Amino acid sequence: DTAVSQTPKYLVTQMGNDKSIKCEQNLGHDTMYWYKQDSKKFLKIMFSYNNKELIINETVPNRFSPKSPDKAHLNLHINSLELGDSAVYFCASSQVDRGAFFGQGTRLTVV
Amino acid sequence: SQELEQSPQSLIVQEGKNLTINCTSSKTLYGLYWYKQKYGEGLIFLMMLQKGGEEKSHEKITAKLDEKKQQSSLHITASQPSHAGIYLCGADGGGSQGNLIFGKGTKLSVKP
Repeated sequence: DTAVSQTPKYLVTQMGNDKSIKCEQNLGHDTMYWYKQDSKKFLKIMFSYNNKELIINETVPNRFSPKSPDKAHLNLHINSLELGDSAVYFCASSQVDRGAFFGQGTRLTVV
Repeated sequence: SQELEQSPQSLIVQEGKNLTINCTSSKTLYGLYWYKQKYGEGLIFLMMLQKGGEEKSHEKITAKLDEKKQQSSLHITASQPSHAGIYLCGADGGGSQGNLIFGKGTKLSVKP
């Protein structure tokens, strides 16, 4: 069973489009995250949600908006995509005092 | 597909003691990353290793990649309460996606 599932795995889109990446976890965790992996494979946190409430909102463009319809889902919506948004995006979930479980990542390519 | 296994899953040490966390890969590692995570917060990048036998240190934390590039260890000398947290290893997934894969983490507690 997949613990943290992201879709799609690959996403190629044109500049200016709006796209969403979905994330679901079946672990019953309270906290979910979105990370952006840069070209050097460093992970930078974007958002963190606990029980559907935003607890971390790092400096990311307003074009990025997380949406958590319920505790098991945290989707990432991106408006007006730019070339610089091309990256691998990871969803993760965790429970208190436990390591985060990561999704497989979504490679976003903006052309 | 490549998998990373971390051991131990959790570790409790007395302040001042040394400790080692291991990360073993099912395939050759072409890039190994160590992160520290605190619950509800982001990942803190610690070190990256690429070459067999490579060793890097930052303050009291040393990470090493073995010659065969299938195992990495993270060693903390004279542990302090500030070292407590969850340590994650990550590696290049090896696919065209260019993403990382992760171990399940090691929870470290340091008793004062």
